[in-house]
Amino acid sequence: AQSVSQHNHHVILSEAASLELGCNYSYGGTVNLFWYVQYPGQHLQLLLKYFSGDPLVKGIKGFEAEFIKSKFSFNLRKPSVQWSDTAEYFCAVNAPDTGFQKLVFGTGTRLLVSP
Amino acid sequence: GAVVSQHPSWVICKSGTSVKIECRSLDFQATTMFWYRQFPKQSLMLMATSNEGSKATYEQGVEKDKFLINHASLTLSTLTVTSAHPEDSSFYICSADQGLAKNIQYFGAGTRLSVL
Repeated sequence: AQSVSQHNHHVILSEAASLELGCNYSYGGTVNLFWYVQYPGQHLQLLLKYFSGDPLVKGIKGFEAEFIKSKFSFNLRKPSVQWSDTAEYFCAVNAPDTGFQKLVFGTGTRLLVSP
Repeated sequence: GAVVSQHPSWVICKSGTSVKIECRSLDFQATTMFWYRQFPKQSLMLMATSNEGSKATYEQGVEKDKFLINHASLTLSTLTVTSAHPEDSSFYICSADQGLAKNIQYFGAGTRLSVL
């Protein structure tokens, strides 16, 4: 079965610090990869996605992620975080064995950015 | 675009009663909707996949008679928690697939269920 690991459960940063959140998945074949963000009291929103092509994906709000197939990783990065980036971040994957329909989520990383 | 509305956002009920949660895609048609459950400080766990006009597909370990799912139209899916008990208290989240082979899910804001 597929699994997604997010090793950082809680991250605390000061504004302007750089961010990197780790995400590793277990599926060996072709996958679609996603990062979702959940701001306090709000619904999950899609930050960015990777389906194919350039492994460096740019998303909204200055976020980017790099797909490294050999490492089964899809880490999320932002060069300079803002207080408004305080949220929970979820990595997710879907795979062809479910028709690329079912999402498997990581456990999430809570990011707190102090002003 | 791609807005999913979920209602109610919070419901408190007595043990033994049933609760219905609605999930609507507001500006697109969703042939497939998904229902997730999220426990405190844990990830989202897929409960079932709901396809318009057909029976839902439940994940292993999810009681289909306990969690009734109906997807009667392309914009509405409902989850009914039947004979709710305190252990059913959780955060339930729906999502809708925009289709068109995009394989992107858009999420509702979730429903917090508290069973007394």
